Amino acid sequence: KQEVTQIPAALSVPEGENLVLNCSFTDSAIYNLQWFRQDPGKGLTSLLLIQSSQREQTSGRLNASLDKSSGRSTLYIAASQPGDSATYLCAVLTQGGSEKLVFGKGTKLTVNP
Amino acid sequence: DAGITQSPRYKITETGRQVTLMCHQTWSHSYMFWYRQDLGHGLRLIYYSAAADITDKGEVPDGYVVSRSKTENFPLTLESATRSQTSVYFCASKETGGQPQHFGDGTRLSIL
Repeated sequence: KQEVTQIPAALSVPEGENLVLNCSFTDSAIYNLQWFRQDPGKGLTSLLLIQSSQREQTSGRLNASLDKSSGRSTLYIAASQPGDSATYLCAVLTQGGSEKLVFGKGTKLTVNP
Repeated sequence: DAGITQSPRYKITETGRQVTLMCHQTWSHSYMFWYRQDLGHGLRLIYYSAAADITDKGEVPDGYVVSRSKTENFPLTLESATRSQTSVYFCASKETGGQPQHFGDGTRLSIL
């Protein structure tokens, strides 16, 4: 059974810092991995999706990497801003014909002005 | 506007009542999903649907019923609500293949 872990559970940084959020998964036979952002009281916003054949994806100040063999992904946020404060979730889609995502419990990020 | 809409946004009901949460998407995505989000458990899949008239159980399906007579709608029914079903419910949709899932804003359901 696929399990997804995100460490740390919470992170507080000063504005302007570059930071890395971590995601690990137990079954390396994944189809893709998706990073989401969730603001309080809101739904999930898709940030980046990395296919199993890819090593990284970039969108603006965000860069997500994938090391499938070691079961790890990182989300790099450059020059963090207070508006980046949110909970970040990673989710994996495991190979096997099912479209079911398995989610980590998220990292709550606070960027202090 | 195109997107995925959930209704109601907030609902309070009593144990034993039947309640239906609505989900509507305008993209004509094949797949639709229902999740619940609880502190300590994260997001858990309740049911999903690959197409109209095709549904399947997720991780926590007990106590819930779904239907999908039209591609764009995927209602979730709690036939006899229990306090343990107090949660935030999210609907999501995606196209086939390696496409991202897109989420609605959620329904916060409280069962007294």
